[in-house]
Amino acid sequence: DQQVKQNSPSLSVQEGRISILNCDYTNSMFDYFLWYKKYPAEGPTFLISISSIKDKNEDGRFTVFLNKSAKHLSLHIVPSQPGDSAVYFCAASSYNSGTYKYIFGTGTRLKVLA
Amino acid sequence: NAGVMQNPRHLVRRRGQEARLRCSPMKGHSHVYWYRQLPEEGLKFMVYLQKENIIDESGMPKERFSAEFPKEGPSILRIQQVVRGDSAAYFCASSPPTASGNTIYFGEGSWLTVV
Repeated sequence: DQQVKQNSPSLSVQEGRISILNCDYTNSMFDYFLWYKKYPAEGPTFLISISSIKDKNEDGRFTVFLNKSAKHLSLHIVPSQPGDSAVYFCAASSYNSGTYKYIFGTGTRLKVLA
Repeated sequence: NAGVMQNPRHLVRRRGQEARLRCSPMKGHSHVYWYRQLPEEGLKFMVYLQKENIIDESGMPKERFSAEFPKEGPSILRIQQVVRGDSAAYFCASSPPTASGNTIYFGEGSWLTVV
């Protein structure tokens, strides 16, 4: 049962253009949604998060949009840079019995072309 | 300000041997999560621990895998009698005791290769 889904395994974007990474979820009880970036042979690095009560959060070139009715969120990167080439994981957290659990999607590999 | 420390970074084991992966959380963090990434797959939750306590092990395989987070020292993920299918990257993450659900911090990972 994949509660967090990233249906696009890969995405190629020209440098300077916008990258849009998508994520769908099934559990309406998630409290937060998070995006991580991962380079090969390294650990995931936290990028940005959004509370389930918000619909937008922005941090520099990164903006996350949340559409609760569609159970969909997206990460916008603008302008895209070659250094943004990495695998991006969407994650969701839920609170249950005093603890948080984080569930990750399968990732989208972004390639920014110079 | 040290981040989450994992060791070893790379580990090679023969089938049937034991693998021990260690994780020291960030300073001030008392919650530890272990995730596994199989080749070409996403991050799969394995276990969530607090000091001396396993909170959620719903993602742990029923046999051969165990985890602990003692009062002193790092968290340990132990895999007994490894098989080729255990070859993967194992990531540890930590969060503070007042975690709000909006982030966890990952280590660099431990790559296990079973030959």
